[in-house]
Amino acid sequence: AQSVAQPEDQVNVAEGNPLTVKCTYSVSGNPYLFWYVQYPNRGLQFLLKYITGDNLVKGSYGFEAEFNKSQTSFHLKKPSALVSDSALYFCAVRDDGSGNTPLVFGKGTRLSVIA
Amino acid sequence: GAGVSQTPSNKVTEKGKYVELRCDPISGHTALYWYRQSLGQGPEFLIYFQGTGAADDSGLPNDRFFAVRPEGSVSTLKIQRTERGDSAVYLCASSSGLAGALGELFFGEGSRLTVL
Repeated sequence: AQSVAQPEDQVNVAEGNPLTVKCTYSVSGNPYLFWYVQYPNRGLQFLLKYITGDNLVKGSYGFEAEFNKSQTSFHLKKPSALVSDSALYFCAVRDDGSGNTPLVFGKGTRLSVIA
Repeated sequence: GAGVSQTPSNKVTEKGKYVELRCDPISGHTALYWYRQSLGQGPEFLIYFQGTGAADDSGLPNDRFFAVRPEGSVSTLKIQRTERGDSAVYLCASSSGLAGALGELFFGEGSRLTVL
């Protein structure tokens, strides 16, 4: 079975500083990895994904994530945080060897960017 | 509309009542997913449709939950004999073709269900 862990419930960062939101995963085959963001009173929005290829994936709003197979991690990063980045971030995974199985989400990490 | 539409946005009901939640996916999207999000938790998979058929209903918690998609577009999630533990935000997502197989989902804003 596939699973995702987001070890931090909350991440606080000052505006302009780099941010990292951590994610580790477990799958039996090769992972398809995703980050979604949820703003208050809004639906989840896709940020970026890793399927294959370059381990560094670039996505929306200046976010990027690095796939690390040996550490089974897919941490979300941004070089310079904005107050508007404050939201709830979810990491998700599915196993490429399991047919069209649904995404499994982590519990989420609340990012607070302080001006 | 351009996005996934869910109605009602809020539903308050009493324990034991029957509830229907509706999802209108993005036009042309063949795959439709229902998730449930409880407070402080990530979305939890309930059921997935490919066209009219339920391709995977392994996430439905018990037989009080049922979902249909009779014409391969709009879907309805039905909850019988509601319990207080059913209170959550019910999320619908749709996807199409390769994007669907690679997991890029488009989510609605959810239906918040409160069971008193």
